[in-house]
Amino acid sequence: DTGVSQNPRHKITKRGQNVTFRCDPISEHNRLYWYRQTLGQGPEFLTYFQNEAQLEKSRLLSDRFSAERPKGSFSTLEIQRTEQGDSAMYLCASSLPGQDNPPLHFGNGTRLTVT
Amino acid sequence: AQKVTQAQTEISVVEKEDVTLDCVYETRDTTYYLFWYKQPPSGELVFLIRRNSFDEQNEISGRYSWNFQKSTSSFNFTITASQVVDSAVYFCALSEYTNAGKSTFGDGTTLTVKP
Repeated sequence: DTGVSQNPRHKITKRGQNVTFRCDPISEHNRLYWYRQTLGQGPEFLTYFQNEAQLEKSRLLSDRFSAERPKGSFSTLEIQRTEQGDSAMYLCASSLPGQDNPPLHFGNGTRLTVT
Repeated sequence: AQKVTQAQTEISVVEKEDVTLDCVYETRDTTYYLFWYKQPPSGELVFLIRRNSFDEQNEISGRYSWNFQKSTSSFNFTITASQVVDSAVYFCALSEYTNAGKSTFGDGTTLTVKP
């Protein structure tokens, strides 16, 4: 169990640029989640995948955001035309499938700063 | 809509004191999960406990204990004989019963344990 890995750890970009983050879940975890956390607040759900299928997207996920999980392994989260309000920590988490809904394993996050 | 309230923004205690972190939740679901996570300065959210809405038994794990009261919609967390390493932000979260990974988090309580 190597844990959930996220890259990069930090990203500074200028407003209007596109950015892409990567998440490598724990192997054999078929569920993968993206959350966003701003300073002083709890994480907010953005979207989740079961294998390669994106099953739900939050209303927080505007048209400038897109997430993919090709082949059901790693996932990418892309933000187009970044805005200062996109500055946040982007967290990825994964979990095993199961009727008992096992808990999430979170990565260390990618901190995005839009200047 | 689901909501989690952690009224205590910051708590400061001296080592070896007991401390209780409060969590109150709102949901219209009859079945759900409740969680506590710890976020140390390194940033990675660490799962501590999960409780389903059917199980109101209190739980003790070492220095940690949890008090779930459905009648008051509360899920409080107590650390006994606190230690400096307990310093972190603690989040309470509520999720759908069918998808425990899609959680609504509170805004967290920052616990500082002084030596």
